[in-house]
Parts: sequence; C-alpha cells; structure tokens
Amino acid sequence: EAGVVQSPRYKIIEKKQPVAFWCNPISGHNTLYWYLQNLGQGPELLIRYENEEAVDDSQLPKDRFSAERLKGVDSTLKIQPAELGDSAVYLCASSLEGGLAGGYNEQFFGPGTRLTVL
Amino acid sequence: DQQVKQNSPSLSVQEGRISILNCDYTNSMFDYFLWYKKYPAEGPTFLISISSIKDKNEDGRFTVFLNKSAKHLSLHIVPSQPGDSAVYFCAASPGGSEKLVFGKGTKLTVNP
Repeated sequence: EAGVVQSPRYKIIEKKQPVAFWCNPISGHNTLYWYLQNLGQGPELLIRYENEEAVDDSQLPKDRFSAERLKGVDSTLKIQPAELGDSAVYLCASSLEGGLAGGYNEQFFGPGTRLTVL
Repeated sequence: DQQVKQNSPSLSVQEGRISILNCDYTNSMFDYFLWYKKYPAEGPTFLISISSIKDKNEDGRFTVFLNKSAKHLSLHIVPSQPGDSAVYFCAASPGGSEKLVFGKGTKLTVNP
C-alpha cells in the first residue's frame, strides 16, 4: 500500500515569493493534517481536514498561509509571500475517519517538504 | 508553553543495552500517548502507544510505561540495536480529540 506522498521534497525560494506544497494521503484516509516542523522541534499542527472540511485551522497563520482539499482527497498548502522564518519542514499526515472504540487513529506521515527561504 | 516535554535532546547507548527515553506532560486532559520514530529525510512513523487507562504497553522490544500521577511516560527499548538510532518523538492527545501535541524529540544513538 502506498504511503502518504508529498511533493516537492525540497524547495528553495527567495523571500516574498509564493510557494505551494502538495500532499496525497493514503487511499481511504478521510482525515488529513498539515504540520510544520522547525529545526530541533517536534511537528506542530497547522490545519486538519475531515474530508474537504477544515475542522481545525486555529494554528494556521491566515495572513500568508492557505490550504485547500477540494475533493476530499489530495491537498495543497500555500504560502504567499514567504518569509525567512518560514524555512522548515512541512509534513502531511493522514488517518482513518472516526476513532476506534476507545482507541486513537494512528497518523501516517509523509516524508515532508523541506523549504528554504533565502 | 511546552505541554509535552522531552528534556533530553540526545541519548547514546551501547548495542544490546537498554535505552530509556523519557517524556513529561503538563495537560491533565491528555488521555492517549504515542511514540513516533523518525529517520533523517523521512516522516515520523508510529512506534507504540498507550491509553491513560493502562500503565504499561509492550510490543516486542519496545515497552511504554505511563505514570499518570507524575505525568510521566517512558519508552524502553531492550535490547537496543544500531537500527534503532533515530529521533524519537513523544506525542499526546487530549480526550476525544484527534489532535497530537509533540515533544521536541530525543536523538538516540546506538553504538555497535
């Protein structure tokens, strides 16, 4: 079974330029997450989708960041304009919808996109 | 304010010995805890989890212990192998939520 696919794997841009990241979750996974991971830190949630609905975007800096998941499958995260401080790894993860009784839906992560803003 | 803390940035152990990675949390609403393992240039992969109704969960060489009164959990790897060398993230989830809060990670090096 294919895992979570992300592209590009690496991106170098100059500040003030726009950038977009793409994610294709595991087939059948209704929940999709975008995380930001700064160097030496753990992943931090930016936005969570249930199908095509953004159910938690409280940590998404909406002045420059936007995301979409139009058909409830793949998703795009955009930054416009990028700033130096946006240099980080952007991780996408997916999980099955609805928890197992008494359990937790394991999140499966993609390899991430490493963004460098010059 | 770090709700999940991994106070040791790195740990080095000899092959065959036990590795113990620690994690503390502050939020009493957390009721599910997970450990993820991350190799360079890859995304984190799930390793083992524990519900707050348990105090121990074991899976092969990996055991997670939870001490709710101390708000502390630990991951034990016995015996440690060079392939276990990676960054280990502790994560916690509040009750009824699919949100994960991660610690900063501990880099484990297992020396042959």
